[in-house]
Amino acid sequence: GAVVSQHPSWVICKSGTSVKIECRSLDFQATTMFWYRQFPKQSLMLMATSNEGSKATYEQGVEKDKFLINHASLTLSTLTVTSAHPEDSSFYICSAIPGGDQPQHFGDGTRLSIL
Amino acid sequence: GENVEQHPSTLSVQEGDSAVIKCTYSDSASNYFPWYKQELGKRPQLIIDIRSNVGEKKDQRIAVTLNKTAKHFSLHITETQPEDSAVYFCAASPNMLTFGGGTRLMVKP
Repeated sequence: GAVVSQHPSWVICKSGTSVKIECRSLDFQATTMFWYRQFPKQSLMLMATSNEGSKATYEQGVEKDKFLINHASLTLSTLTVTSAHPEDSSFYICSAIPGGDQPQHFGDGTRLSIL
Repeated sequence: GENVEQHPSTLSVQEGDSAVIKCTYSDSASNYFPWYKQELGKRPQLIIDIRSNVGEKKDQRIAVTLNKTAKHFSLHITETQPEDSAVYFCAASPNMLTFGGGTRLMVKP
């Protein structure tokens, strides 16, 4: 089955640090990947749609200069949280669609804690 | 854009009983309705999905029904087991997923 790998699984860092999260499709090519954020006891909120070879599409209210997305290849998308602050602490999850009518497959998520 | 409402937010049932979770959506263009199960600190896992050309789908103890006219769909879990305890999310998609608020299901042994 389609596998989406996400790294790292857990990050703890100081305020002001930039953090990069990688999302890889291991056995399929994904022209589109999605980045979600999930706060404790809340639902998944779509942050942006990552498109291979072009700019990401950000949802309303998501700062594109703070959450940098790069989709440089058909199997890798990265999310960089720049100058992270405690309010950015959250669970970040990526997903990808293998193609056609197949469902989205999610990565294992990255728990980001900013001190 | 799409808006998905999910009820109830918490549901407690006795082992062996049935559990029903309901969702409504707003965008009539939505044509794909998956259900995900998420355990604490883990990724959402697809448990069943349905497309708008089908009214009902069943997979062992899990079933989903869709009423396009009323714009609502439901998840039914029969013969619940303690390992069914988790948070369940519905979603609707015309082209990208919009998630409901989630239902915390607790199955008491």
